[in-house]
Amino acid sequence: AQSVTQLDSQVPVFEEAPVELRCNYSSSVSVYLFWYVQYPNQGLQLLLKYLSGSTLVKGINGFEAEFNKSQTSFHLRKPSVHISDTAEYFCAVTEEAAGNKLTFGGGTRVLVKP
Amino acid sequence: GAGVSQTPSNKVTEKGKYVELRCDPISGHTALYWYRQSLGQGPEFLIYFQGTGAADDSGLPNDRFFAVRPEGSVSTLKIQRTERGDSAVYLCASSFLSSTEAFFGQGTRLTVV
Repeated sequence: AQSVTQLDSQVPVFEEAPVELRCNYSSSVSVYLFWYVQYPNQGLQLLLKYLSGSTLVKGINGFEAEFNKSQTSFHLRKPSVHISDTAEYFCAVTEEAAGNKLTFGGGTRVLVKP
Repeated sequence: GAGVSQTPSNKVTEKGKYVELRCDPISGHTALYWYRQSLGQGPEFLIYFQGTGAADDSGLPNDRFFAVRPEGSVSTLKIQRTERGDSAVYLCASSFLSSTEAFFGQGTRLTVV
């Protein structure tokens, strides 16, 4: 069984400032890692994913994340946020053979202030 | 449509009633997933279909919950004898069988009063 911990439930940030959302996971087997974003009144949208290879993955809207196996972390970063990045962000994991049976973290709400 | 469609978008029901929630996946997607998202929490896995069969129903909380996908496309999540604790947003997602990207619908917000 896996678990995902998102250490910050809310992150306020000023426009054009950088943001980092923290995600730690636990699993006894190899996993794939994901970040999803949920804008108000919309469905979950995939931002980026790590399957294998380079530990730095780039996603949509200028986001990137780094997989750190020794620290079992997959933190999400953006160097300069926009008002439109205000949303809830979810980190998720799945076992390599489990398709899209995802285990999600509790979410981090990002509020971008002008 | 181009995306995953869920109906209704909102459902209010009385405690003890039966409800059905519908999911229309993206055309051609053989894998379909149901998740439940309670207020302030991340989505929790309920059940996963490959084609018509439930490949993994380990997330269904009890026998009041049941889901079907008779023709391998549309799926219905059925909840009997609803309880106030069933109030949540129910999310559906679909994907190609070998894909690691799932596409989510906007969800059905179920409120049991």
